[in-house]
Amino acid sequence: AQSVTQLDSQVPVFEEAPVELRCNYSSSVSVYLFWYVQYPNQGLQLLLKYLSGSTLVESINGFEAEFNKSQTSFHLRKPSVHISDTAEYFCAVSGTTVTFGIGTKLQVIP
Amino acid sequence: SQTIHQWPATLVQPVGSPLSLECTVEGTSNPNLYWYRQAAGRGLQLLFYSVGIGQISSEVPQNLSASRPQDRQFILSSKKLLLSDSGFYLCAWSLYKEEAFFGQGTRLTVV
Repeated sequence: AQSVTQLDSQVPVFEEAPVELRCNYSSSVSVYLFWYVQYPNQGLQLLLKYLSGSTLVESINGFEAEFNKSQTSFHLRKPSVHISDTAEYFCAVSGTTVTFGIGTKLQVIP
Repeated sequence: SQTIHQWPATLVQPVGSPLSLECTVEGTSNPNLYWYRQAAGRGLQLLFYSVGIGQISSEVPQNLSASRPQDRQFILSSKKLLLSDSGFYLCAWSLYKEEAFFGQGTRLTVV
């Protein structure tokens, strides 16, 4: 069995401030880890992924996430957010199936 | 390149009516296919997944069923819709444990 916990359902942050969205997981098998972003009334888009190798992975729009095996975490960070980052973010693990967290709504305040 | 098509985008159906949502994938073979339902504050709930034609695994007991008549076709059905079936339904595909690719979703409102 596998599960994903996103501790924050909503995160308000001022524009140009840093942000961290937290994700913890559990699994009895090795997994791959993902962050997805969802804009209103759309499907999910892959933001970044960890499969193996370097534990720090980056996206093209400035987000990064670090895989921490001992803490079973995969937190998402961005040093300076923009208004366009306002969306819902989902952490996911892929083992036997793909399991998602409940999502974190990031609201960037001008 | 791979694409996924899901339709319709929105649907309003009366209670007790049947449902059929269709999802097709192009550009890949033998994908894993998934149906998720998204409700506010509850994230994505996995409803069904399939690793091959005719192979369906159900994650939660409910009023819905799924079928995979062809390798790249995944259908979500119901014989009689309930009010609680309202939600945003998402189809997705992946290869083994790699990332999932999502359709644009279907907003279902049961009235």
